Amino acid sequence: EVQLVESGGGLVKPGGSLRLSCAASGFTFSSYNMNWVRQAPGKGLEWVSSISSSTIYIYYADSVKGRFTISRDNAKNSLYLQVNSLRAEDTAVYYCVRAGSGSYYFDYWGQGTLVTVSS
Amino acid sequence: QSALTQPASVSGSPGQSITISCTGTSSDVGGYNYVSWYQQHPGKVPKLMIYDVSNRPSGVSNRFSGSKSGNTASLTISGLQAEDEADYYCSSYTSTGPRVFGGGTKLTVL
Repeated sequence: EVQLVESGGGLVKPGGSLRLSCAASGFTFSSYNMNWVRQAPGKGLEWVSSISSSTIYIYYADSVKGRFTISRDNAKNSLYLQVNSLRAEDTAVYYCVRAGSGSYYFDYWGQGTLVTVSS
Repeated sequence: QSALTQPASVSGSPGQSITISCTGTSSDVGGYNYVSWYQQHPGKVPKLMIYDVSNRPSGVSNRFSGSKSGNTASLTISGLQAEDEADYYCSSYTSTGPRVFGGGTKLTVL
């Protein structure tokens, strides 16, 4: 069974940083592209960042470029998102999401970790 | 990275069919067959319903179908049921590499 378990969220002041983690199991992690998708309270889904299976290709939404860094450790079956210079508008549930094999859809989602940016 | 355009809400009665549209541009929806649809019930994690325009993952009811014409993709739900009441989001690959979501559509079953 595919499982994605996020951790690392919490309450942080504006300008602060966090490192989100996602532990993957139940599939060959190193063979799949991975993503972070977020959802602000009461709002829609927003794609945040993607990383290819071999880390060659990395993409970011304009709203987080220069502040967030995606990475992965295939040996540890883990995905990460370093979030810096946090703003109130970054408050959201952050989902770790697997990309479908050979395509660009999101087939498995974690339960999410809540990041709250507030003074 | 503009969001894809979806109607804010649609509604239908049990047994009816409804269609949710998702409009983009030739750089995303119109340019690639990589449109997907997600269902999200309140407080729950999004669930993949349609991928690559018209493919259904295993376990998804055949009452759900997808299509595309030009820059607009559509999700059709036939034989509407109370459990279909949820938020629905479309997503597409874009020529700039990233992915993009629609703003979401709230489906109400009357």
